[in-house]
Amino acid sequence: DAGVIQSPRHEVTEMGQEVTLRCKPISGHDYLFWYRQTMMRGLELLIYFNNNVPIDDSGMPEDRFSAKMPNASFSTLKIQPSEPRDSAVYFCASSFGRVTGELFFGEGSRLTVL
Amino acid sequence: RKEVEQDPGPFNVPEGATVAFNCTYSNSASQSFFWYRQDCRKEPKLLMSVYSSGNEDGRFTAQLNRASQYISLLIRDSKLSDSATYLCVVNEEYGNKLVFGAGTILRVKS
Repeated sequence: DAGVIQSPRHEVTEMGQEVTLRCKPISGHDYLFWYRQTMMRGLELLIYFNNNVPIDDSGMPEDRFSAKMPNASFSTLKIQPSEPRDSAVYFCASSFGRVTGELFFGEGSRLTVL
Repeated sequence: RKEVEQDPGPFNVPEGATVAFNCTYSNSASQSFFWYRQDCRKEPKLLMSVYSSGNEDGRFTAQLNRASQYISLLIRDSKLSDSATYLCVVNEEYGNKLVFGAGTILRVKS
């Protein structure tokens, strides 16, 4: 069975450029989460969706970040313009039903902003 | 104060040792608790849930102390393959927000 699929796996870009990260959740899962992981701050929840609707975006750091889920099988996280402090690993995760503890994570997108 | 706090370690232990990690959480209304494992440069994966009565899964035992707001993980007979970062995770009372601790690094050496 396919797990959560993220792309790109690695992205190196220059400050000021737009970055788009993509996620395909596990089929049938109705919750989708975007997390960011850094050494300093650990794993931080940015936003999550239920049935394609954003439920809580209080973790989105600022207006440069936006996330969409146009359908049940696809979500994007966009950073525009990117800054060096956005460098991190961005994880997408999905789950079925209310969270019972098991989130299924993708392999992550490692972003480096120069 | 962080919502979930863990000793970052690293804990360096020999094979066969018993090692324990603790984690404290700040939200007394938290209802669900978990341990996740994250290997180097990999994604986190659920290790086990933590139940009020305590629970065991093979060499792993998890305990919850609601009064003191801490969670523990005990690993017996450590294996080299147990080397990883162990993340303490708490589900907030409402909604579906899993809050992750920063993790405790375990290194098991032969």
